[in-house]
Amino acid sequence: QSVLTQPPSVSAAPGQKVTISCSGSSSNIGNNYVSWYRQLPGTAPKFLIYDNNKRPSGIPDRFSGSKSGTSATLGITGLQTGDEADYYCGTWDSSLSAGVFGGGTKLTVL
Amino acid sequence: QVQLQESGPGLVKPSQTLSLTCTVSGDSISSSDYYWSWIRQPAGKGLEWIGRIRTSGSTNYNPSLRSRVTISLDTSKNQFSLKLSSVTAADTAVYYCSRGWLTWFDPWGQGTLVTVSS
Repeated sequence: QSVLTQPPSVSAAPGQKVTISCSGSSSNIGNNYVSWYRQLPGTAPKFLIYDNNKRPSGIPDRFSGSKSGTSATLGITGLQTGDEADYYCGTWDSSLSAGVFGGGTKLTVL
Repeated sequence: QVQLQESGPGLVKPSQTLSLTCTVSGDSISSSDYYWSWIRQPAGKGLEWIGRIRTSGSTNYNPSLRSRVTISLDTSKNQFSLKLSSVTAADTAVYYCSRGWLTWFDPWGQGTLVTVSS
């Protein structure tokens, strides 16, 4: 059971927009920055978003992040078949003094 | 460009100690202000944070693993290591090392599969 809650799966058509939610509590998302990662099958996670809504160098602006209260959201526009992957949110939990991740969301581009 | 590479035995017997090393290139762990972390992922499951260490030597561990985990630095080799004792089949996973800051991890090593089996 993951500390952060994500939907197991989401789907959308090519070219459309999709959002992936990540729900937590005041001890994690509510008081810490959120990061997002994309994981293609058989590969290591790739850094997409940090500090809730900042994109590392090289990440296209099709990817966006937001946070409100104890929830965060990853948005992807202009969906491509290459976006099919598992997406994870992560942050720090101040009560646990530990890093925490969501259970992951499988994105299917129909 | 910072790169990390995990290494260690791919097979560990139950009750023994899992030992992995992460070799860092492109950054100096002795002078860097980042956190150096270990994260694992059982097959078909999500990511689990194991713990982290800073250059100062201060560590944080996942409460569920704290009694069995030790993370250490070897600045002379620009490496950091993971030791997980008393392993069981539940510790079978791909283990990743990563550099990061308070709430993010980047980059990641390619990962190494460790199987616990007799």
